[in-house]
Amino acid sequence: GENVEQHPSTLSVQEGDSAVIKCTYSDSASNYFPWYKQELGKGPQLIIDIRSNVGEKKDQRIAVTLNKTAKHFSLHITETQPEDSAVYFCAASKGNQFYFGTGTSLTVIP
Amino acid sequence: DSGVTQTPKHLITATGQRVTLRCSPRSGDLSVYWYQQSLDQGLQFLIQYYNGEERAKGNILERFSAQQFPDLHSELNLSSLELGDSALYFCASSTRTGNYGYTFGSGTRLTVV
Repeated sequence: GENVEQHPSTLSVQEGDSAVIKCTYSDSASNYFPWYKQELGKGPQLIIDIRSNVGEKKDQRIAVTLNKTAKHFSLHITETQPEDSAVYFCAASKGNQFYFGTGTSLTVIP
Repeated sequence: DSGVTQTPKHLITATGQRVTLRCSPRSGDLSVYWYQQSLDQGLQFLIQYYNGEERAKGNILERFSAQQFPDLHSELNLSSLELGDSALYFCASSTRTGNYGYTFGSGTRLTVV
């Protein structure tokens, strides 16, 4: 099966700085990579996704890059704000089942 | 509000008991997924239903079962509960099956004592 590794497990940044979270996957057949944000007491919320035929995707302050050859993908958050503080999960999929990373707890310090 | 409704929000029960968790998907969504989230295991896929039929099965224990009803709501049944079953159980739904981001509910926190 697929194995998704996510780093770092915790990340603290100053407000306004950038944050980068990295994930690697093992199954080269995986072709869909969503990112979820989970705030305390809530379910994960999809924030951005990328498919294997695309190398980069951007949505305002959030961007995701994918390197299929190296089998890794990254989430980039620019101009971080306190409300970006949450746990972020990456996932990889080639069908119905998502394989999630272990999560990154991001803290944005005002 | 994500549109995916899970009940109850919290559940405390004793070992050996049986519980049922309920999920109502977003209007129009045919696929329902169940995930277990624990501190040491992260988000683990349990099972998926699409329009009433089981589509995919993950690391679901034999003590656990699920079904999706004609009105598309789904129930996850957990029996012979053990302390290690304490976790957050999430339901998610999507319009179709396959590689599409899905919407999670707010979860049911199960505590087995």
